[in-house]
Amino acid sequence: AQRVTQPEKLLSVFKGAPVELKCNYSYSGSPELFWYVQYSRQRLQLLLRHISRESIKGFTADLNKGETSFHLKKPFAQEEDSAMYYCALNRVAGGSEKLVFGKGTKLTVNP
Amino acid sequence: EAGVAQSPRYKIIEKRQSVAFWCNPISGHATLYWYQQILGQGPKLLIQFQNNGVVDDSQLPKDRFSAERLKGVDSTLKIQPAKLEDSAVYLCASSARQGLDTQYFGPGTRLTVL
Repeated sequence: AQRVTQPEKLLSVFKGAPVELKCNYSYSGSPELFWYVQYSRQRLQLLLRHISRESIKGFTADLNKGETSFHLKKPFAQEEDSAMYYCALNRVAGGSEKLVFGKGTKLTVNP
Repeated sequence: EAGVAQSPRYKIIEKRQSVAFWCNPISGHATLYWYQQILGQGPKLLIQFQNNGVVDDSQLPKDRFSAERLKGVDSTLKIQPAKLEDSAVYLCASSARQGLDTQYFGPGTRLTVL
């Protein structure tokens, strides 16, 4: 079964500390993975996708096929990074493509 | 560009009543999605439209949920009759195409079934 696991429901760090949000996936094909973020009182929005190999707001994520992981990292967390983070997998089946989301991790960056 | 619009933002109903949600996607976006997000969970896809055709409705409880996208633009999602377990946030999203294109989400409708 294709699924996304985010083992941490809550994660709390201090400003300036490194942060890593974990994401593991299960998928039989070639995975396409995303991180979506929802700031307080804002809409869910795309943060980054692995295929672009980009850094957004200082965040990076590397796909590790051996460990089936796509962890999100930032070397120095800022208070404005506090939000809900969702890892998502693009599942291709039966001619359709759809996102399968993890349960999310709530990140709190303390001053 | 204007974002995805949804209404109403909040709805409280009693079980066995019916309810309808409306979504207006970003202009020109061919693909429209309805998600259900139960508290503490990630969004779960209910139905996906490509223009006005259904691409995937495998997780839509068809005995009580229905959705349509007439003319390939706006969409409505209906629940009839509602159950307590339908309490959730219903998110609408749109993208230019399915697959790797960015999905843009609406603000959601928070449904409470009493």
